[in-house]
Amino acid sequence: DAKTTQPTSMDCAEGRAANLPCNHSTISGNEYVYWYRQIHSQGPQYIIHGLKNNETNEMASLIITEDRKSSTLILPHATLRDTAVYYCIACSYGQNFVFGPGTRLSVLP
Amino acid sequence: DTGVSQNPRHKITKRGQNVTFRCDPISEHNRLYWYRQTLGQGPEFLTYFQNEAQLEKSRLLSDRFSAERPKGSFSTLEIQRTEQGDSAMYLCASSRAGDQETQYFGPGTRLLVL
Repeated sequence: DAKTTQPTSMDCAEGRAANLPCNHSTISGNEYVYWYRQIHSQGPQYIIHGLKNNETNEMASLIITEDRKSSTLILPHATLRDTAVYYCIACSYGQNFVFGPGTRLSVLP
Repeated sequence: DTGVSQNPRHKITKRGQNVTFRCDPISEHNRLYWYRQTLGQGPEFLTYFQNEAQLEKSRLLSDRFSAERPKGSFSTLEIQRTEQGDSAMYLCASSRAGDQETQYFGPGTRLLVL
């Protein structure tokens, strides 16, 4: 699976948009970009995924660059409950996920 | 849809003892995954089932580890002769083949080996 790189940590003010970047420069054509988050001591929670088109759901938006070498997860109005570790994973269907250390997002009041 | 459940949620054991964890996937999910997560790290893949067949095992899964999914529903992960290095969170996830392979994770079982 393609290796992804993310910043170790980020801060965001409550109520503002949180933009979390991810680089996946070696992603292959059949690999999707998945985002999960993990709140302390809980299992990872699915957020969103996409192949090449931008995606939006009730939790977040996913922007994938045209060359698919990077993506950004956008939480439009961050709340304190969005404080978590966010994982970006590049994976094709039917394969196990390879997690990196993720980005620790702190939403500040 | 009640989500993925795991039992027990916490387990404390002495070194050398055997432990067994159970995972109940989302109903009708035919794929089931086990991961291990140590403090400060992302989850690491251990093994994967499609129905009752164990299709892939990580090299992290030593001979002391065994996983089963006898009827293609729940799964068990057993660790024999536990070592202190086995202390971790053990996570289970399930997915439905063809449903864009979104894996849904359970709450995990936290193991502490003394």
